[in-house]
Amino acid sequence: EAQVTQNPRYLITVTGKKLTVTCSQNMNHEYMSWYRQDPGLGLRQIYYSMNVEVTDKGDVPEGYKVSRKEKRNFPLILESPSPNQTSLYFCASSLWGYGYEQYFGPGTRLTVT
Amino acid sequence: GQQVMQIPQYQHVQEGEDFTTYCNSSTTLSNIQWYKQRPGGHPVFLIQLVKSGEVKKQKRLTFQFGEAKKNSSLHITATQTTDVGTYFCAPAGGTSYGKLTFGQGTILTVHP
Repeated sequence: EAQVTQNPRYLITVTGKKLTVTCSQNMNHEYMSWYRQDPGLGLRQIYYSMNVEVTDKGDVPEGYKVSRKEKRNFPLILESPSPNQTSLYFCASSLWGYGYEQYFGPGTRLTVT
Repeated sequence: GQQVMQIPQYQHVQEGEDFTTYCNSSTTLSNIQWYKQRPGGHPVFLIQLVKSGEVKKQKRLTFQFGEAKKNSSLHITATQTTDVGTYFCAPAGGTSYGKLTFGQGTILTVHP
């Protein structure tokens, strides 16, 4: 089954404790992206990757890191989480950037206390 | 990414009534996509519009792309409770093939 998976689905952590949210797709897509969703603000892009070893900033990259060492995986790293990073995070992939349907993962609900 | 205004932010309708959400840009768009997110779920792709003045239909849903490619709309005829959710537009344009900016979304509730 074609899908995007994210882990963990729920995470409660404390300020400053490094964490990684994993994202994996099995559709051989070139493009992957991370979004955060907050009430009233819609979906905001954090980082995206056009292909392996190529990543670029979205609209809200501060406080986040990403890497794309393999085509299928695109982890999101929070080196020192803060309460303002409490949000719902979605990973998405598509064949090639905009102009192609994006497939979203199930989401990761992160709470930073 | 392109900046867009999506309106309204909320819409409450009685089952059977029609619903429309609008996505407006100050600049010309290359294309626009629409997504639906059910409560507690993730966004799911509905459609992509590319051509000026394009109209596409999916059962009770009608999607339009403006003649100037600066606005788009999603119209649902005779809403059903299964239409509940948030509808997002995702416009694309310019030279960046990767940077995407979604509209703020319209939250639709349908009262039976």
